[in-house]
Amino acid sequence: GENVEQHPSTLSVQEGDSAVIKCTYSDSASNYFPWYKQELGKRPQLIIDIRSNVGEKKDQRIAVTLNKTAKHFSLHITETQPEDSAVYFCAASGNYGQNFVFGPGTRLSVLP
Amino acid sequence: DVKVTQSSRYLVKRTGEKVFLECVQDMDHENMFWYRQDPGLGLRLIYFSYDVKMKEKGDIPEGYSVSREKKERFSLILESASTNQTSMYLCASSLPRGRNYGYTFGSGTRLTVV
Repeated sequence: GENVEQHPSTLSVQEGDSAVIKCTYSDSASNYFPWYKQELGKRPQLIIDIRSNVGEKKDQRIAVTLNKTAKHFSLHITETQPEDSAVYFCAASGNYGQNFVFGPGTRLSVLP
Repeated sequence: DVKVTQSSRYLVKRTGEKVFLECVQDMDHENMFWYRQDPGLGLRLIYFSYDVKMKEKGDIPEGYSVSREKKERFSLILESASTNQTSMYLCASSLPRGRNYGYTFGSGTRLTVV
C-alpha cells in the first residue's frame, strides 16, 4: 500500500521568510496530492492540491510542486505570516481522492 | 457553509465501556471517513464508507466498528474501550471520485479512556 513520508517534522521561520515542506510517496499509481492545514484546536482544512498531470500549482503565497519521477511533492509558502503557524499534512491518493494516506505532519512556527 | 458535525468535542469513558462517536454531514456527500490523530503518527484511517449501509476497513480497524444507516450519518463504535484508544478522532466526508476531490473534516472528538 501507499506510504507517505513528510519532512521536517517541525519548522521555525522568521516572519517574511519562505517555508518549504517536502513529502515523498511510494505508490507510483498515486495521482492526487492535497495539503491540509490544521490550526491549534481546529479541524484540518484543504489549502491546495495538485493532480498528477500538473507539475506546479500556485495560489497567492502558497505553491505546490510535484515530481512524479522522483515521487515527491512539496509545499512552498512565501512571505510567511504569524497566521501561517499550524500543522501541515500532505496526503496521497491512488484513485482520485476516494481515500488518502496522510503524512505525519509538519508543525510550522512563524516567529515575529 | 459546508458542515461536518461531530457530536462531542471531549469525551471521557471508562475501560470496557461501549463508546459511540457520531458524525453528521449536511452536504449530501457519498463518502465518509473516520480517522484517528496521534502525535507523530498523523492521520490514520480506521473505517470508511462510500454509500449507505456500506463500510470498508481502513488501516487500523481493530477494536472499532462503524454504522451507516443514513447517508448523512456515520457512527464509529468502540466495542470495549481501552486506554490505547485514547486519541483525537476526526470524521471527514467527500463527494465521490470524479467530482470534488477534497475532504471536509469535522472538528474532532478528543476521547480519553481511563
